[in-house]
Amino acid sequence: EVQLLESGGGVVQPGGSLRLSCAASGFTFSSYAMNWVRLAPGKGLEWVSGISDNGRRTVYADSVKGRFTISRDNSKNTLYLQMNSLRAEDTAVYYCAKDQWLDGAFDIWGQGTMVTVSS
Amino acid sequence: DIVMTQSPDSLAVSLGERATINCKSSQSVLYSSNNKNYLAWYQQKPGQPPKLVIYWASIRESGVPDRFSGSGSGTDFTLTINSLQAEDVAVYYCQQHYSSPHTFGQGTKLEIK
Repeated sequence: EVQLLESGGGVVQPGGSLRLSCAASGFTFSSYAMNWVRLAPGKGLEWVSGISDNGRRTVYADSVKGRFTISRDNSKNTLYLQMNSLRAEDTAVYYCAKDQWLDGAFDIWGQGTMVTVSS
Repeated sequence: DIVMTQSPDSLAVSLGERATINCKSSQSVLYSSNNKNYLAWYQQKPGQPPKLVIYWASIRESGVPDRFSGSGSGTDFTLTINSLQAEDVAVYYCQQHYSSPHTFGQGTKLEIK
């Protein structure tokens, strides 16, 4: 079964850091680009970051550029999101999502992990 | 960045009737080399992750009921749900994957009248 499982969410103070992980199974992880998407309370979906299949190309939303870093370890079938200098507005459920193919839509999503930034 | 604007923000439709959601992009998402629109629709129910419903503007994802259909090209797109069922209650989002950032529309909340 194709599956994505996020972990690493929690409560963190403003200015703090957190690292999210997304474990993939049931497909050849190294063949697909991956993404992080978030859903803040009362808001809509926001694409956060994407990474190419080999990890060499990364892109970020302006709202997180310079604070978040996406990476992947294809030997461990795992996607990461390192989040630094966290702000209250980063509070959201964070989903990892798989590209269908190069520049494709997002066909597989994890269940999400909640990040709360609060003092 | 490409801005995606959906209308309406919310919609109430009777069971068995048709629901129509519109999505407009600030620039064309039609890739001329393959004549495909890089536009997807997602359904998100409370407490669940989004689910891909339509890709390339009009192709139903595997397992999606045929009452769901997508249309449009360039900058204007429509998601139509025929014969609305109770399980279709959700927030629907359009997304362009033509260029980064892969922006979403603000969402349309679909309810039963």
